[in-house]
Amino acid sequence: KAGVTQTPRYLIKTRGQQVTLSCSPISGHRSVSWYQQTPGQGLQFLFEYFSETQRNKGNFPGRFSGRQFSNSRSEMNVSTLELGDSALYLCASSLGGDRNEKLFFGSGTQLSVL
Amino acid sequence: AQSVSQHNHHVILSEAASLELGCNYSYGGTVNLFWYVQYPGQHLQLLLKYFSGDPLVKGIKGFEAEFIKSKFSFNLRKPSVQWSDTAEYFCAVSPMEYGNKLVFGAGTILRVKS
Repeated sequence: KAGVTQTPRYLIKTRGQQVTLSCSPISGHRSVSWYQQTPGQGLQFLFEYFSETQRNKGNFPGRFSGRQFSNSRSEMNVSTLELGDSALYLCASSLGGDRNEKLFFGSGTQLSVL
Repeated sequence: AQSVSQHNHHVILSEAASLELGCNYSYGGTVNLFWYVQYPGQHLQLLLKYFSGDPLVKGIKGFEAEFIKSKFSFNLRKPSVQWSDTAEYFCAVSPMEYGNKLVFGAGTILRVKS
């Protein structure tokens, strides 16, 4: 069974640009969560999607948005990039998004903002 | 602020030494508790989890953790570490009111010397 796939693996952007990251969950998983990992702040929850609906949201500005498609694949968009958005963005999937479920993480997309 | 604290950022041990990594959280209600591990070059994976019942939980690779409600702690232990345990370990908490959102600690980097 294939794991959680995130593309691209690396991205370099400049301030003010926008970026879209992609996540394909494990087959059959309907919940996709996104986390930002930085050396200073650690892992922080961005949002979670289930059945194409955002079900949970962290404390990030509106520049961070996402969506989920009918095949459960998810995209995350960051507009008007800032230097502080440089981070590893991790996607995690689970079957139904229940808080008791194990999360399966992808390898992440490393975003560098210059 | 509500948070998860991991006591040590870096731990260095010799093989066969015993390990205990501390984790404390500040949520007063019902929580689910997790330890995730990230081996070098690999993605985050679940080590063990606690939802209810026996406060001593056993995970993969000989790890165990004890939930002490009165101390808001969930410390990770292993009686005898191996070189292959070199990794970064993350404690995570899922408060009931947060749905399936995980709040992570800053992580502890463990290096086991052979």
